Amino acid sequence: QKEVEQNSGPLSVPEGAIASLNCTYSDRGSQSFFWYRQYSGKSPELIMFIYSNGDKEDGRFTAQLNKASQYVSLLIRDSQPSDSATYLCAVPRSGNTPLVFGKGTRLSVIA
Amino acid sequence: ETGVTQSPTHLIKTRGQQVTLRCSSQSGHNTVSWYQQALGQGPQFIFQYYREEENGRGNFPPRFSGLQFPNYSSELNVNALELDDSALYLCASSEAGGYTFGSGTRLTVV
Repeated sequence: QKEVEQNSGPLSVPEGAIASLNCTYSDRGSQSFFWYRQYSGKSPELIMFIYSNGDKEDGRFTAQLNKASQYVSLLIRDSQPSDSATYLCAVPRSGNTPLVFGKGTRLSVIA
Repeated sequence: ETGVTQSPTHLIKTRGQQVTLRCSSQSGHNTVSWYQQALGQGPQFIFQYYREEENGRGNFPPRFSGLQFPNYSSELNVNALELDDSALYLCASSEAGGYTFGSGTRLTVV
């Protein structure tokens, strides 16, 4: 089993809809979880991180953790075409470093 | 603008050559990590430096080596380049658990 797994997509949603991105992780002891957005040809940009103590909302983005099932979700409300990108989930391997990334899910928001 | 700068932006090298990639981290960020991202894949951890000492390494051969300097800059060196080394190389600096990536160096090996 890979340490961090994501559906590669593409996930297509209409503009204004909620996009739901999922990520599963193998280390039950993981304490922090990171979501990065990566536009084509660009480097990853941190958009959200959460700790194992709860969910987090930041503007249109919500990160949710299900520890029992070992998955973390990223919800994007009111999706915009500018949200079209690859979303990478990352989990530290031990302690707080280094990050292990999933392959990423490609999101396409259709206007 | 992330505060982490990488150079060069793009690079083309011939198989068997050596390459040095550079990264300038944010001031005060003692930890720098290097990642390789092949097309369509997530970044893969190469190694990490903390206060000029390597303190973690991924599944990469010894021909991938690095240095970190007191001024928060660092280098990634790759010897005996292979075609499969073609990728986006990312440097990330971190403080208190947050990782900030530079814009990357696109290396093409021909």
